[in-house]
Amino acid sequence: EPEVTQTPSHQVTQMGQEVILRCVPISNHLYFYWYRQILGQKVEFLVSFYNNEISEKSEIFDDQFSVERPDGSNFTLKIRSTKLEDSAMYFCASRGLAGFNTGELFFGEGSRLTVL
Amino acid sequence: SQQGEEDPQALSIQEGENATMNCSYKTSINNLQWYRQNSGRGLVHLILIRSNEREKHSGRLRVTLDTSKKSSSLLITASRAADTASYFCAMTGANSKLTFGKGITLSVRP
Repeated sequence: EPEVTQTPSHQVTQMGQEVILRCVPISNHLYFYWYRQILGQKVEFLVSFYNNEISEKSEIFDDQFSVERPDGSNFTLKIRSTKLEDSAMYFCASRGLAGFNTGELFFGEGSRLTVL
Repeated sequence: SQQGEEDPQALSIQEGENATMNCSYKTSINNLQWYRQNSGRGLVHLILIRSNEREKHSGRLRVTLDTSKKSSSLLITASRAADTASYFCAMTGANSKLTFGKGITLSVRP
């Protein structure tokens, strides 16, 4: 069964460092998302991406964040200068055309980011 | 904000019992979905109910939606220890963005 894959599964970084989290969405999906979940808290929307551009972003997604689909298969989230409060689990999700009507998102297993 | 509020925040039941989890939301929705998250894992889609539907079944899952009360419930019948997880309601509004609630932690004791 097709699945969304994310790498790395866990990354530890120093405050101020740049981090890139990678996602490979399901191959025929067109809509891509990043969510984050601070430990024990709610799942928060960061950004949605369609047709090679951001379609919506939350107030969390400030200038320190960027997304890119560099090669037609990967979907990356970059945090330019990490802060302690960026420590969280970051989930990538994708949705196909059928899913646009059903609303179903397929999530990866997440990348845990720890900022020291 | 459409963010859902699940109730209770935590639920502990005996294996074989039914688990009922509730979700309330604030604004109009296109559909409401329930997701499951095992500890430290990703989110898995369980079931979706559209705004014009009132009840839906999938295996041991039953979800209801009351748009007049802006609430939904997820019932898991004949629970199993493997059902232990966090359960989230999530809703889609006009902008198609999926917004999650805070989640319910379900513990099923063997």
